[in-house]
Amino acid sequence: AQSVAQPEDQVNVAEGNPLTVKCTYSVSGNPYLFWYVQYPNRGLQFLLKYITGDNLVKGSYGFEAEFNKSQTSFHLKKPSALVSDSALYFCAVRDMDLTGGGNKLTFGTGTQLKVEL
Amino acid sequence: KAGVTQTPRYLIKTRGQQVTLSCSPISGHRSVSWYQQTPGQGLQFLFEYFSETQRNKGNFPGRFSGRQFSNSRSEMNVSTLELGDSALYLCASSLDSGMSGLADTQYFGPGTRLTVL
Repeated sequence: AQSVAQPEDQVNVAEGNPLTVKCTYSVSGNPYLFWYVQYPNRGLQFLLKYITGDNLVKGSYGFEAEFNKSQTSFHLKKPSALVSDSALYFCAVRDMDLTGGGNKLTFGTGTQLKVEL
Repeated sequence: KAGVTQTPRYLIKTRGQQVTLSCSPISGHRSVSWYQQTPGQGLQFLFEYFSETQRNKGNFPGRFSGRQFSNSRSEMNVSTLELGDSALYLCASSLDSGMSGLADTQYFGPGTRLTVL
């Protein structure tokens, strides 16, 4: 079974500083990994995904993520944080064990990012 | 293109009642998935529909059911509501175009906030 772990419940960073939100995964085979962001009382917004290819994936709003196979990690990064980046961030992995195919994501527990002035 | 829409956005019900939530996917998307989000359990997969058929199911009791119509719109129903069913219910759609479907991104709606009193 697939799983992802987000070891930090909350990350605090000053505006203008780089931010990192951590995610590690456990899958059998090649992982399909995703990052989503959730603002209060809203659904999840897609940021980026890793399927194959370049280990550095660029996404929306200046976010990027680095896939590291040896460390089984997929950390989300941004060079310069904004107060408006404050939100709940979820890492997810595609379930590849579905006998009938299909689209199912297993999510991490989420990391609350707080960017302060 | 319009995003995923969910109705209603908020619902208040009492224990024992039933509820139906609706989801309209992005135009052209054929797969619709439902997730439950609670503070205690996080994001959990309920089920996925494709071509009017349930393709995958999560670990929820039979009180939770769903269906998909020929236009890909989907509904989920919860019967005999319990206090623990209070949650944000999220619908997500994806294109699912055959072999490339494994890499498809799920796009989420704003959710329906269900409160059971």
